[in-house]
Amino acid sequence: RKEVEQDPGPFNVPEGATVAFNCTYSNSASQSFFWYRQDCRKEPKLLMSVYSSGNEDGRFTAQLNRASQYISLLIRDSKLSDSATYLCVVNMRNGNQFYFGTGTSLTVIP
Amino acid sequence: DGGITQSPKYLFRKEGQNVTLSCEQNLNHDAMYWYRQDPGQGLRLIYYSQIVNDFQKGDIAEGYSVSREKKESFPLTVTSAQKNPTAFYLCASSPGTEYQPQHFGDGTRLSIL
Repeated sequence: RKEVEQDPGPFNVPEGATVAFNCTYSNSASQSFFWYRQDCRKEPKLLMSVYSSGNEDGRFTAQLNRASQYISLLIRDSKLSDSATYLCVVNMRNGNQFYFGTGTSLTVIP
Repeated sequence: DGGITQSPKYLFRKEGQNVTLSCEQNLNHDAMYWYRQDPGQGLRLIYYSQIVNDFQKGDIAEGYSVSREKKESFPLTVTSAQKNPTAFYLCASSPGTEYQPQHFGDGTRLSIL
């Protein structure tokens, strides 16, 4: 079983829509969680960390559900510039290994 | 500006040739990582290092070698034993402590001539 699993999509949504991605992780010892954004042929860039109480950064909201072992990312009022692949990343308690999902592809359509 | 620098941006390898990809960071991070990404695929860990003069194999270490002689530098050598080296190679670093994310260089694209 993979450490981190994501729905690969693609998600095609109109501008202004709200879209949500989920990501499940298999190891209950997972300690910290992140969402990265990766544009085509570019490196992943940190979008936001995910905190136990949930956190928001502008149009982006991240949630963590430890009991069910999943994290989510909600994007409100989608913009064309949100089109990218979103990677879910989980870090183990020792802080040294990161496990990546394969990414969820989002295309925002005019 | 602090960051991670990978070079070259594009690299071409001939059959039977070893090539070395450079990764330098000035973030004072303890941990450094090398990943490989194939088209439409996720990141796969090649090697990682938590401290100078120490490194561990990741999931796909065969055909690759690394060194960590300085905290700032973690070069990756793609040897001739790696039969399918064409991929996007990403170097990352992190403080190595809990709750701290990784930061990535802008990658090296390696192709076979």
